[in-house]
Amino acid sequence: DAGITQSPRHKVTETGTPVTLRCHQTENHRYMYWYRQDPGHGLRLIHYSYGVKDTDKGEVSDGYSVSRSKTEDFLLTLESATSSQTSVYFCAISSGKSADTGELFFGEGSRLTVL
Amino acid sequence: KNEVEQSPQNLTAQEGEFITINCSYSVGISALHWLQQHPGGGIVSLFMLSSGKKKHGRLIATINIQEKHSSLHITASHPRDSAVYICAVKVDSNYQLIWGAGTKLIIKP
Repeated sequence: DAGITQSPRHKVTETGTPVTLRCHQTENHRYMYWYRQDPGHGLRLIHYSYGVKDTDKGEVSDGYSVSRSKTEDFLLTLESATSSQTSVYFCAISSGKSADTGELFFGEGSRLTVL
Repeated sequence: KNEVEQSPQNLTAQEGEFITINCSYSVGISALHWLQQHPGGGIVSLFMLSSGKKKHGRLIATINIQEKHSSLHITASHPRDSAVYICAVKVDSNYQLIWGAGTKLIIKP
């Protein structure tokens, strides 16, 4: 268990409102990821982080921003939520000293509905 | 063509059967992951492989780097093994993973 928690687990919001999802880990791992999972698409990478203040875009980063001011927290922000961002969001961490060597651990997911 | 292909997409079997799920990839990789996701549930890492074979309980994972192919085997399958099994590869010199589409496994009692 990598001590990874996501919050909130469920959220319903309206189009145009800002939303922040939080991923918190207790193990001090370097690599953290935000994915979204939609029917027919599998997991798609939104953003990832390889250290404090070190982040980069994934394949579906438009409309999302992230921040990592502390090792343990990786925040995903939707500045102005749209219905196309209705999805299940998963945070993941890699336990290794490099991204090549680490086992993956996932949070329980955050279900976001944008009305 | 997807860089990571899983087969079959769907598999239904009877309890006790030996199950094989395949993953083929077309890129150079440094590691391959097998993960499990139960319906409505979270995602659990089963194996991470860079060569050879790993075993955990009734699950066995193998990888052939030269052939760019990995298999996940389940021996003495049980209804609780019903889940989606996902293969993901860690591309050389890249932080990202490339994900397979998943194999939905149903084990009937």
